[in-house]
Amino acid sequence: KAGVTQTPRYLIKTRGQQVTLSCSPISGHRSVSWYQQTPGQGLQFLFEYFSETQRNKGNFPGRFSGRQFSNSRSEMNVSTLELGDSALYLCASSLEARLAYTEAFFGQGTRLTVV
Amino acid sequence: DQQVKQNSPSLSVQEGRISILNCDYTNSMFDYFLWYKKYPAEGPTFLISISSIKDKNEDGRFTVFLNKSAKHLSLHIVPSQPGDSAVYFCAASASRGAGSYQLTFGKGTKLSVIP
Repeated sequence: KAGVTQTPRYLIKTRGQQVTLSCSPISGHRSVSWYQQTPGQGLQFLFEYFSETQRNKGNFPGRFSGRQFSNSRSEMNVSTLELGDSALYLCASSLEARLAYTEAFFGQGTRLTVV
Repeated sequence: DQQVKQNSPSLSVQEGRISILNCDYTNSMFDYFLWYKKYPAEGPTFLISISSIKDKNEDGRFTVFLNKSAKHLSLHIVPSQPGDSAVYFCAASASRGAGSYQLTFGKGTKLSVIP
């Protein structure tokens, strides 16, 4: 069974540009969450999607957005990149978002560097 | 305000001995707790979880203990092995009526198991 796949693995962008990251969840998983990991802040929740609907959003500016497609694949977009957006972006998929007692499985992440 | 705290940034343990990683939380709504292990340049890997109706869950060398009154949980690894050297994250989630799923993470504890 394939795991969570994130593409690309590495990205270098310039300040002011925008970027789109992609995530393919585990087959059958309908919930996809995104997290940002930085050395100082640890893993912070960005947003969660289930059945193409954003169910929850973390405390990030509107420059961070996402969407989910009918096949559960998800993308996140960051516009007007800032140096502080440099981080490891992690996608996680879960079997069923309505079950609180479920674990999330993570992809390997996309390392974004803004210069 | 950090809702999940891992107060020890690092821990060194001799191979074969017990590793104890601690985690405290402040949000009384949290009712499901998870431990993840993370190697550099990889996504977190799910280790073990516990729901708030239990006080102990065991899986092989890994045992998680939950003390709800103290809002404290711990992960015990016995015996510790060099391959256990990684960053360990404690995470928590709360049941939400709308079914949204969000994990709140601690900042991690770097475990080094010395051969």
